[in-house]
Amino acid sequence: AQKVTQAQTEISVVEKEDVTLDCVYETRDTTYYLFWYKQPPSGELVFLIRRNSFDEQNEISGRYSWNFQKSTSSFNFTITASQVVDSAVYFCALLGSSNDYKLSFGAGTTVTVRA
Amino acid sequence: GAVVSQHPSRVICKSGTSVKIECRSLDFQATTMFWYRQFPKKSLMLMATSNEGSKATYEQGVEKDKFLINHASLTLSTLTVTSAHPEDSSFYICSARPTGDGQPQHFGDGTRLSIL
Repeated sequence: AQKVTQAQTEISVVEKEDVTLDCVYETRDTTYYLFWYKQPPSGELVFLIRRNSFDEQNEISGRYSWNFQKSTSSFNFTITASQVVDSAVYFCALLGSSNDYKLSFGAGTTVTVRA
Repeated sequence: GAVVSQHPSRVICKSGTSVKIECRSLDFQATTMFWYRQFPKKSLMLMATSNEGSKATYEQGVEKDKFLINHASLTLSTLTVTSAHPEDSSFYICSARPTGDGQPQHFGDGTRLSIL
């Protein structure tokens, strides 16, 4: 079975602070994919990043960075120098063959950035 | 690229009405599309997988006669909520995935359905 755990329900920070969102996953697949999505208050889901299980390189995109560690089954997401526009719900998701390639979503973490 | 259009964005209608929601992949073909439901402050709940040219696959507990899915082409899937009641009020989101291993699902903007 697949499972994605986002233990942090809500995080509130002041602008310019860094914020790290945790994501821990469970799967028996050897090949799988991990994703992060952003859902702003307007409701749409925005794709942020995809990682496959064979690529443990960390990635940086502007103020966003991701730390993938297979040893701890974690795929954490850091927003550096947060801005008010970063306020959203962030979902971590897992895709693998054991779930018929259907996305398994975490519960989401609500990030509120205060000015 | 990889744009998914969902229409309408908001529907308010009377109990007993049937409501159709469209999901289109604008710049890629999608043999598989997905329909989700999201309750306030909750994660996305997969309702069904829509397969082009064949019947949809419904998740456990989702009434297929209530939520009719049609995937008539490689770029269009529709969800019809039949005889909607207030308990069907929710945020419905579709997604489509380009072909290829591990391709991300791209989501429509969602439809907020309110049944009076």
